[in-house]
Amino acid sequence: DGGITQSPKYLFRKEGQNVTLSCEQNLNHDAMYWYRQDPGQGLRLIYYSQIVNDFQKGDIAEGYSVSREKKESFPLTVTSAQKNPTAFYLCASQDSVLLGANNEQFFGPGTRLTVL
Amino acid sequence: DAKTTQPPSMDCAEGRAANLPCNHSTISGNEYVYWYRQIHSQGPQYIIHGLKNNETNEMASLIITEDRKSSTLILPHATLRDTAVYYCIVRVLYNFNKFYFGSGTKLNVKP
Repeated sequence: DGGITQSPKYLFRKEGQNVTLSCEQNLNHDAMYWYRQDPGQGLRLIYYSQIVNDFQKGDIAEGYSVSREKKESFPLTVTSAQKNPTAFYLCASQDSVLLGANNEQFFGPGTRLTVL
Repeated sequence: DAKTTQPPSMDCAEGRAANLPCNHSTISGNEYVYWYRQIHSQGPQYIIHGLKNNETNEMASLIITEDRKSSTLILPHATLRDTAVYYCIVRVLYNFNKFYFGSGTKLNVKP
């Protein structure tokens, strides 16, 4: 089955520790995205990548880092600099951004991060 | 970027049509309207999108007003499994195809 996988589903971290969230897609999509969702709120964009070895900051990039070494993978690291990391993290992918607005984003199941 | 306004919540009886409104009065001519839904603690799911014509697929219908300042998502026969948060999103073409998600409408389908 084609799709996006995120692991783990639940993640607990001690305050001050860095943690990396995995996102893998086998849809051969060029673009990948990371969103954060807090309870009762919409999604906010953290980072996005249009192509391998390139990524851009979204609206709330502070305290996060990403890499895009392979087309199918876009891991997100939540660093100790992120002051309120407890949230639901969603990864998405999309076919070539050059093809225009008809390409919807496909989302993974999400990772719920809790800082203890 | 065009913003959207949706009611925070709506109720619908099972088997009846659910009509979810969205205002996007500042939408520009090349921006599309997308609808997604998110069932609790899952990733959002694409439903439908349109530019100016009404659209229908196996999940829903999208009605866009002639001036494109508002739209309505219609679930023709709502089921309990349609209980979710529904997001109306205006697509920003020039901004690397980012999607801007607001707070959405929580649809409660009741037996």
